[in-house]
Amino acid sequence: QVTLRESGPALVKPTQTLTLTCTFSGFSLSTSGMCVSWIRQPPGKALEWLALIDWDDDKYYSTSLKTRLTISKDTSKNQVVLTMTNMDPVDTATYYCARCIAAGYYFDYWGQGTLVTVSS
Amino acid sequence: SYELTQPPSVSVSPGQTARITCSGDALPKKYAYWYQQKSGQAPVLVIYEDSKRPSGIPERFSGSSSGTMATLTISGAQVEDEADYYCYSTDSSGNRGVFGGGTKLTVL
Repeated sequence: QVTLRESGPALVKPTQTLTLTCTFSGFSLSTSGMCVSWIRQPPGKALEWLALIDWDDDKYYSTSLKTRLTISKDTSKNQVVLTMTNMDPVDTATYYCARCIAAGYYFDYWGQGTLVTVSS
Repeated sequence: SYELTQPPSVSVSPGQTARITCSGDALPKKYAYWYQQKSGQAPVLVIYEDSKRPSGIPERFSGSSSGTMATLTISGAQVEDEADYYCYSTDSSGNRGVFGGGTKLTVL
């Protein structure tokens, strides 16, 4: 049974760095063809793909946000961490992590999401 | 940057066929995927690799792709199919994901 759970602060101040952790079970990120991705969704708006990391430690980022994002993995802990620097109120969103399949980089299991509000 | 374009809304009566389109320049070479998102819930994969249906997804959901357009078809839409639907694909490099703007399906 594949599960993913996002954790991190619910509130961050503008200019601060956001650190989110995705803790998963039911699969290993050391298995060929596996990856984990982060996606966000501002309230009432569309989904936005942010970043992914695969079993071979290849990392890919949204072109528009790549200067602010860093993704990493700890295979032994079954965790993937996303950091986003210089947070702004427009970054207020629900942040999801999802298991992805490298053949197509699509998402077959999602976490429940965590709402992050950026406000002073 | 690469974009996928969807209509903002589609409305059908129960039992009718709903079609939601997604256009993108890279779709002739990249698969399209479709996600259903009901209010307050995480998205659920309903179609992968243009036309394949994951286990547990009703047969009324189907997908197709031709040229620069992918289509999600819901044959005999049910009230419980009311949701936002997002298409997803990757850019021409294959390494960066992109979602369409989403289509709100109303069934009433």
